[in-house]
Amino acid sequence: SAVISQKPSRDICQRGTSLTIQCQVDSQVTMMFWYRQQPGQSLTLIATANQGSEATYESGFVIDKFPISRPNLTFSTLTVSNMSPEDSSIYLCSATGQTTNEKLFFGSGTQLSVL
Amino acid sequence: GENVEQHPSTLSVQEGDSAVIKCTYSDSASNYFPWYKQELGKGPQLIIDIRSNVGEKKDQRIAVTLNKTAKHFSLHITETQPEDSAVYFCAADSGGSQGNLIFGKGTKLSVKP
Repeated sequence: SAVISQKPSRDICQRGTSLTIQCQVDSQVTMMFWYRQQPGQSLTLIATANQGSEATYESGFVIDKFPISRPNLTFSTLTVSNMSPEDSSIYLCSATGQTTNEKLFFGSGTQLSVL
Repeated sequence: GENVEQHPSTLSVQEGDSAVIKCTYSDSASNYFPWYKQELGKGPQLIIDIRSNVGEKKDQRIAVTLNKTAKHFSLHITETQPEDSAVYFCAADSGGSQGNLIFGKGTKLSVKP
C-alpha cells in the first residue's frame, strides 16, 4: 500500500479567499486523483491529476475553481479558489499504481470550512 | 455513466451478529468493485475488493460476493465487533479506470456491545 499525506488536515477560511491543499505519496504512483466529500455525503471525483500536463476534470468541476498541479510522480496540489460556504467539504487525495497493486488508496483528507 | 446504489443507509447490529450491505451498479463494463471503511475524521480505508472474474472473496471476518449477471455485490461482516462501527462505501470503476470510482452513498454501521 501507499502512505498518502495531506496538508493541512483542516482549515477555516473566509469567503472569497483561496486554499491550496498538498498531497504527498511515499512512492511513485501512476495516477493521482482528487475527490470531494460534502458533509455526510459520499465521495465525488473532482479531477485526475496528470503529471506534467493539465488535469482532467469531471463534469461540474472547472480548472478556474479547482486548479491542480502535479509536478512529479509523488506530489500534487489542489487549490480551492474564491471560496464560498458551499465549498465546505472534505477534500481527499488518492493514488494508485504498481506500488499499490493498482488499488486506490486515500489520504486522511482536508476538512475545509468556509465562513 | 455508472450509477451505484447502496442499501441500507444505516444498520445497527448487536456485537457478534453479522452485517450485510448491498450495492447495485448500472454499467455492465465495470470490472472492479472495492469496499471502503471510513471512520470519523479519517480518509476511506480499503478493506476488500473484488474483480469481475471472481464471484466471492474472503478475508478473515469480511467477505464480498459479486453477481455480474444481476449487477450487484455485497459486503458481509461476521462476528461484528464495536470497532467495526464506521461508514462503509461500496464503489465500482467507471470507464475501465480503477482510479475513477463511482461510490455508493454509504452505510453507517453501528455495532452495539
